[in-house]
Amino acid sequence: NAGVTQTPKFQVLKTGQSMTLQCAQDMNHEYMSWYRQDPGMGLRLIHYSVGAGITDQGEVPNGYNVSRSTTEDFPLRLLSAAPSQTSVYFCASRTRGGTGRTEAFFGQGTRLTVV
Amino acid sequence: SQQGEEDPQALSIQEGENATMNCSYKTSINNLQWYRQNSGRGLVHLILIRSNEREKHSGRLRVTLDTSKKSSSLLITASRAADTASYFCATARLSSNTGKLIFGQGTTLQVKP
Repeated sequence: NAGVTQTPKFQVLKTGQSMTLQCAQDMNHEYMSWYRQDPGMGLRLIHYSVGAGITDQGEVPNGYNVSRSTTEDFPLRLLSAAPSQTSVYFCASRTRGGTGRTEAFFGQGTRLTVV
Repeated sequence: SQQGEEDPQALSIQEGENATMNCSYKTSINNLQWYRQNSGRGLVHLILIRSNEREKHSGRLRVTLDTSKKSSSLLITASRAADTASYFCATARLSSNTGKLIFGQGTTLQVKP
């Protein structure tokens, strides 16, 4: 199993451009999440999904869209990139255990710079 | 706002010493988890402690949970240079049926050889 795979690993965008960060997992996990990590801020939840076709907002959803058409994939879209979205983005998945009883598996991250 | 707050933000010790990190949280939780992040990598799960547990061990790791004080601690005994990393606590709120994990800001641990 590859686990959680994120692409790309690095990306530079110009302000106003759009792009999609890809996340795929091969563990048949129901739950998937996107976090951003900024210095001194820890990880903040952007969006999450409890299954195919179901998504919801996290702590910092503005400027991002997600969809979950399959169990395996959970792409994160930046609609119009802004310098404030410069960050490291992590995708995570875990199996359904109810109320967070299971561990999360993380991808290696995407380092995004918006200039 | 974030659920977990780690203390200290940074910790530097010598190899062989013990390292203690603390986490405080705000709401009632179902469980609390600790993760490690090596520089430039994703997070890796270390240990989970349920709200009805007070202490848990895994190898050189010891985790305690005090739900009355809404706090947890992670103790790494006999530290090694390879333990150098950032450590995060994550909580799942008791009222949430989605299982969202909310992370704290992390403690950066440096273990000097």
